[in-house]
Amino acid sequence: QSALTQPRSVSGSPGQSVTISCTGTSSDVGGYNYVSWYQQHPGKAPKLIIYDVTTRPSGVPDRFSGSKSGNTASLTISGLQADDEADYYCWSYAGSYILVFGGGTRVTVL
Amino acid sequence: QVQLQESGPGLVKPSQTLSLTCTVSVGSISTADYYWIWIRQPPGKGLEWIGYIYYLGTTYYNPSLKSRLTISVDTSKNQFSLDLSSVTAADTAVYYCARLYDFRYYMDVWGKGTTVTVSS
Repeated sequence: QSALTQPRSVSGSPGQSVTISCTGTSSDVGGYNYVSWYQQHPGKAPKLIIYDVTTRPSGVPDRFSGSKSGNTASLTISGLQADDEADYYCWSYAGSYILVFGGGTRVTVL
Repeated sequence: QVQLQESGPGLVKPSQTLSLTCTVSVGSISTADYYWIWIRQPPGKGLEWIGYIYYLGTTYYNPSLKSRLTISVDTSKNQFSLDLSSVTAADTAVYYCARLYDFRYYMDVWGKGTTVTVSS
């Protein structure tokens, strides 16, 4: 069972925005600004799209944005595109060299 | 850009030891800013971190796997390895190696993954 809670699925039409939540505790998401998000297309390795809660690596479109409020982090995809259809996972540091992860969210582009 | 490649047997018998190696290329494993991590993904399920290692040999293990797990590093070969003992069908997964940024704990470079099936 994953330590961080994500919705199993979200969906949206092309051009719309979707937001994925990632809920933890004050010991992980709420306690550190070390939340990262990964995109995984079927049969492929995950790809880093957000780190340090809000930072996008070079090459990741600015349609992807991250935020955090209390014990919940969020990933927003704006201007949804067909290629955004994938699984998205959140990760967080939880202290004492422990990592925790979300169960993943399937984004469907209608 | 650093590249990672997993290698090892695709089939392991129950109760045996699963052994995988990750080779780091286009870069050095002996880098102060990074750890090197193993992550797995059972079929149809989410990601799970297994453990990670610093190039000097310090290791950090997922508590749920710690009793069966050994991660080691060979800086002369630019490789790090995973040994998971007493495997069962529940250890069947795609195993990924990745680079984990120190102090900020995000994985910025991943291998393509290797599928390991535990079956007799």
